[in-house]
Amino acid sequence: AQSVTQLDSQVPVFEEAPVELRCNYSSSVSVYLFWYVQYPNQGLQLLLKYLSGSTLVKGINGFEAEFNKSQTSFHLRKPSVHISDTAEYFCAVSDPQGAQKLVFGQGTRLTINP
Amino acid sequence: NAGVMQNPRHLVRRRGQEARLRCSPMKGHSHVYWYRQLPEEGLKFMVYLQKENIIDESGMPKERFSAEFPKEGPSILRIQQVVRGDSAAYFCASSHNRDPTQETQYFGPGTRLLVL
Repeated sequence: AQSVTQLDSQVPVFEEAPVELRCNYSSSVSVYLFWYVQYPNQGLQLLLKYLSGSTLVKGINGFEAEFNKSQTSFHLRKPSVHISDTAEYFCAVSDPQGAQKLVFGQGTRLTINP
Repeated sequence: NAGVMQNPRHLVRRRGQEARLRCSPMKGHSHVYWYRQLPEEGLKFMVYLQKENIIDESGMPKERFSAEFPKEGPSILRIQQVVRGDSAAYFCASSHNRDPTQETQYFGPGTRLLVL
């Protein structure tokens, strides 16, 4: 079985500062990895995904993430955040060989302060 | 191209009533997934359907919950005899039929169910 741990439930950051949202996963097989963003009262929007190839993945809105197999991590980063980045961020994994379901972490609430 | 549609967006039911949640996938998508988000938690997988078939229902509660995706029309998540613990946001996602394991799941805006 797979599981995802997002180590920080809340991350407050000042505008234009860099941010890193941490994600670790547990799986006995190789996985696909995803980051989704959820704005208040809305559905989830895909930020980026890692399927294979380069371990550094670039996504929308200036976000990027790096897959580290040895540390089973997939941390999300942005060099300079904006007020509009305030949202809930979810890390998720899926099993490439089997079920298509996504297993989500608990989420990290990113709050950008002016 | 319209995204994943869900209705209603908000649903209020009293204990013991039935709740029906509808999901229309994106055009060209034949794979539908339902997830539940309890307050202050992440999303939990419930069921994965293709047209007229349930592929994986490992996340569905054993009783009171059912899902379908008919040949025509939206996918329906049905909750019978709702209880307060069913209060949550229910999200539907869809993906293309080429290779579901690599395809992105696109999420709808969700239905927020409140059981009084």
